[in-house]
Amino acid sequence: SQTIHQWPATLVQPVGSPLSLECTVEGTSNPNLYWYRQAAGRGLQLLFYSVGIGQISSEVPQNLSASRPQDRQFILSSKKLLLSDSGFYLCAWSAWLGAGGGYTFGSGTRLTVV
Amino acid sequence: AQKITQTQPGMFVQEKEAVTLDCTYDTSDPSYGLFWYKQPSSGEMIFLIYQGSYDQQNATEGRYSLNFQKARKSANLVISASQLGDSAMYFCAMREPSGSARQLTFGSGTQLTVLP
Repeated sequence: SQTIHQWPATLVQPVGSPLSLECTVEGTSNPNLYWYRQAAGRGLQLLFYSVGIGQISSEVPQNLSASRPQDRQFILSSKKLLLSDSGFYLCAWSAWLGAGGGYTFGSGTRLTVV
Repeated sequence: AQKITQTQPGMFVQEKEAVTLDCTYDTSDPSYGLFWYKQPSSGEMIFLIYQGSYDQQNATEGRYSLNFQKARKSANLVISASQLGDSAMYFCAMREPSGSARQLTFGSGTQLTVLP
């Protein structure tokens, strides 16, 4: 069965420090991978998605970047964090199916920039 | 334009009663999928139910059912016999095959509180 792992669960980082959040998927190949951010009490905002190794699409201009060095690994990074980068970050994957292909989410990373 | 609209920021329901969470959507694509997710305070997103645009019958999954009214473009979630553990944020989402990488677009969510 497919599983998705996301870590760390919680992170407190000072302004200006770098960031690296990792997400890995098991039990499937060539998944579509996604990074979402959720501000407190708000909906989910798509940040990046990837349809293959090295293929990254950005949805929102920001202080963050994403990379996909391996088929089932998706990394969210920042060189210098801003206070506005605080939030709940969720990684998700989906199979390359039609409209019925839903997402499976990781357990999320709660990032607080201080 | 908003693709998914959830007009109820918060809802209260008495334990053991049924509750309906509203969702309307906007798309010109004839093929699409509609999803409901539950997000408890822990933050994880839990898939509840799916309805395809060509499905003739309303989807059901245990105590969850989706009231799909295609002409009105609504996909309301009905939770029967509410339990205290149903207290959570609920998100409606839509997936369109014509969208890039078949992205899932989420509504703003409804915070459901089940009262004992």
